[in-house]
Amino acid sequence: EVQVVESGGGLIQPGGSLRLSCAASGLTVSDNHMSWVRQAPGKGLEWVSIIYSGGTIYYADSVKGRFTISRDNSKNTVYLQMNSLRVDDTAVYYCARRKSGTNDYWGQGTLVTVSS
Amino acid sequence: QSALTQPASVSGSPGQSITISCTGTSSDVGSYNLVSWYQHHPGKAPKLIIYEAIKRPSGVSNRFSGSKSGNTASLTISGLQAEDEADYYCCSYAGTNTFDVFGGGTKLTVL
Repeated sequence: EVQVVESGGGLIQPGGSLRLSCAASGLTVSDNHMSWVRQAPGKGLEWVSIIYSGGTIYYADSVKGRFTISRDNSKNTVYLQMNSLRVDDTAVYYCARRKSGTNDYWGQGTLVTVSS
Repeated sequence: QSALTQPASVSGSPGQSITISCTGTSSDVGSYNLVSWYQHHPGKAPKLIIYEAIKRPSGVSNRFSGSKSGNTASLTISGLQAEDEADYYCCSYAGTNTFDVFGGGTKLTVL
């Protein structure tokens, strides 16, 4: 059974940094494309970043230069390093596997609150 | 403001059918058949119910169906059940610059 579990969220001040983790089971992250998607309070979903199995990476313009996606194959985990956090980065962050042009397995998300 | 336009809410009685529309542009929905629909119960993981505009993942009820015409995709739920009450999001691939764009979500209420 495929499962992805996000962790690492919390309350952080503007300008701070946080690293989110996405631990996978039932799939090998290095063989799969993995995405991060977020949902701000009361808003819709927003794609954030993707790391392809081959290593190619893309970011949404809203996070480019501040967020970094990576993976640790030995831990079967994907990360999202978030720097220079802003109030409008407040959201639930979801990790998902991307396959056949869609995100087919999602975690329950981890809440990031950026506030002073 | 979301890239794709969905109605904020729809409602229906048990056993009825409802359709949720998702309108994009020629840069996303109109250019790719990579339209997905997700069912989201708040606090839980979003669940994929339609991909490639019309395909249903294994295990998803055949009461859910998708279609696409031009820049608009649609999700139809037939034989409404109480457990269908949730938020529904459409999503379209939009190329490597924008990648995925989502709708603002539609809250389905089963009366």
